[in-house]
Amino acid sequence: AQSVTQLDSQVPVFEEAPVELRCNYSSSVSVYLFWYVQYPNQGLQLLLKYLSGSTLVKGINGFEAEFNKSQTSFHLRKPSVHISDTAEYFCAVSGEGFQKLVFGTGTRLLVSP
Amino acid sequence: GAGVSQTPSNKVTEKGKYVELRCDPISGHTALYWYRQSLGQGPEFLIYFQGTGAADDSGLPNDRFFAVRPEGSVSTLKIQRTERGDSAVYLCASSLGHGDTQYFGPGTRLTVL
Repeated sequence: AQSVTQLDSQVPVFEEAPVELRCNYSSSVSVYLFWYVQYPNQGLQLLLKYLSGSTLVKGINGFEAEFNKSQTSFHLRKPSVHISDTAEYFCAVSGEGFQKLVFGTGTRLLVSP
Repeated sequence: GAGVSQTPSNKVTEKGKYVELRCDPISGHTALYWYRQSLGQGPEFLIYFQGTGAADDSGLPNDRFFAVRPEGSVSTLKIQRTERGDSAVYLCASSLGHGDTQYFGPGTRLTVL
């Protein structure tokens, strides 16, 4: 079975500062990793995903994440955040077969001026 | 193009009542998923359809929950004898096929009084 841990429930940051949202996973099989963003009153939107190949994955809105197998991590980063990045961010894992996503509890990113 | 739509957006019901939640996937998507998101938690998998059949219903919490997708497009999640603990946002997602990116709808917020 897979599981995802997002230790930070909330991350406050000033506009134009860099940010890292942490995600660690647990799995006994090969995994596929995802970051989704949920803006207020909107559905989940895919930011980026790691399936195979390069461990550094670039997504939309300037976000990127690095898959680290030895540390079982998939942290999300952005070098300079905007007010509009304020949202809830969910890390998710899927095993071979892609039949379902297992989500973490989410990290609320709060960007202030 | 049109995304995943869910109706109603909000549903308030009384304990013990029966409810139906509807999901319209993106046209042409053969895979459809239901998740449940409780307050402060990440989405939890309920059931996955490939075409008309439920390929994995391991996430349904008990036999009060049932879902159908009779023509391989629209799906309905049915909850009998609702309980206050069923209150949550119910999310639907669809993907082009097995293993493709899941696109989420805005959800139905169910409140059981």
